[in-house]
Amino acid sequence: DIVMTQSPDSLAVSLGERATINCTSSQSVLYSSNNKNYLAWYQQKPGQPPKLLIYWASTRESGVPDRFSGSGSGTDFTLTISSLQAEDVAVYYCQQYYSTPQWFGQGTKLEIK
Amino acid sequence: QVQLVQSGAEVKKPGASVKVSCKASGYTFTNYYMHWVRQAPGQGLEWMGIINPSGGSTNYAQKFQGRVTMTRDTSTSTVYMELSSLRSEDTAVYYCTRDPLYESSAYDIWGQGTMVTVSS
Repeated sequence: DIVMTQSPDSLAVSLGERATINCTSSQSVLYSSNNKNYLAWYQQKPGQPPKLLIYWASTRESGVPDRFSGSGSGTDFTLTISSLQAEDVAVYYCQQYYSTPQWFGQGTKLEIK
Repeated sequence: QVQLVQSGAEVKKPGASVKVSCKASGYTFTNYYMHWVRQAPGQGLEWMGIINPSGGSTNYAQKFQGRVTMTRDTSTSTVYMELSSLRSEDTAVYYCTRDPLYESSAYDIWGQGTMVTVSS
């Protein structure tokens, strides 16, 4: 199994400031034949299902604001929110879809400072 | 529009079984795998398994092997997740979500969730 670990578990950032969340996989999720990282980021607000933000580690889903960006390769990944808005308060999860079981990270709770 | 609509909340006693449905619309049902993910109260997301709606093949997380069964009905574009021998730790919101058959990818559409409460 590929285990996903996020850091930090929680994060408080001022409005307009940058937020950075890290995700590490226990094995590489880079598929050599197509050079794609099988890594996604989701945002979940209370009482709602998760929402896909980023896939292939760095591709923004349609409609996601460009202040959200993903980076990294292999086993180390980062989700960055360039300028935090009030509506970004949520829990963020990374997930690998390289192999089953397709585990998620434990989540990072993002709050306003 | 593309959507996944799940069945309503359930309350079950320990030892019972629950069957949750997920009806797909707005896309070709057999072109997307369906996954089930659950979330216990205040906890993170837990992947349970996957079904191929085209052929019906399944792959379950080891934790749920022997207790979970995922099936589909192509005539109604519906997938089902049945969990047996319920215990209090199975109290959670259960989500269905899809990814394309042609290439493993992230989950772009999610059902609204079904709350399953296990209590005596």
